[in-house]
Amino acid sequence: AQSVTQLDSQVPVFEEAPVELRCNYSSSVSVYLFWYVQYPNQGLQLLLKYLSGSTLVESINGFEAEFNKSQTSFHLRKPSVHISDTAEYFCAVSLRTGANNLFFGTGTRLTVIP
Amino acid sequence: NAGVTQTPKFQVLKTGQSMTLQCAQDMNHEYMSWYRQDPGMGLRLIHYSVGAGITDQGEVPNGYNVSRSTTEDFPLRLLSAAPSQTSVYFCASSHLSTGGYGYTFGSGTRLTVV
Repeated sequence: AQSVTQLDSQVPVFEEAPVELRCNYSSSVSVYLFWYVQYPNQGLQLLLKYLSGSTLVESINGFEAEFNKSQTSFHLRKPSVHISDTAEYFCAVSLRTGANNLFFGTGTRLTVIP
Repeated sequence: NAGVTQTPKFQVLKTGQSMTLQCAQDMNHEYMSWYRQDPGMGLRLIHYSVGAGITDQGEVPNGYNVSRSTTEDFPLRLLSAAPSQTSVYFCASSHLSTGGYGYTFGSGTRLTVV
């Protein structure tokens, strides 16, 4: 079985400050790792993904995440947040074989304070 | 427009009523799934399908039925609504080959059971 833990349910941060959203996972088999973002009253959008290769992955809007196999973590970081980054962020995993099912963490609500 | 279409966007049901949440995609995706989103619990998989005529249960299937008679459509049926089914429901689809990162989510259905 696999599980995803997001330790922080809410993270307030001032505009232009750095932020880290933590994600740990547990799985007995290899997984793909994802971060999804949900803006208010919208569906989910893929922010970034780790499939293989370089353990550091980046998104087009300045977020990055690093896959750490030994710590089974996939933390999301941004060096300087903007008001528009206010949203809920979900870490998720899927198995590398079989159906495409995504397993989500409980989410972290990021609030950027002006 | 290509994507996942969910109807209705909002629905209020009385306890014991039945209804069907509709989901349609026009991307020829083999995989379709239903999730429910509850505060503090993230998204949980209800049912999924890897092709027409093939469905399977996810993490929280009780109280819900699905069928997949065509590639495009994946309706979710609530047989006898209960207040515990008050939630936001998301449908998602992807190609089976994308291993969980090619998801397209619908915009959601907000269901209230009174």
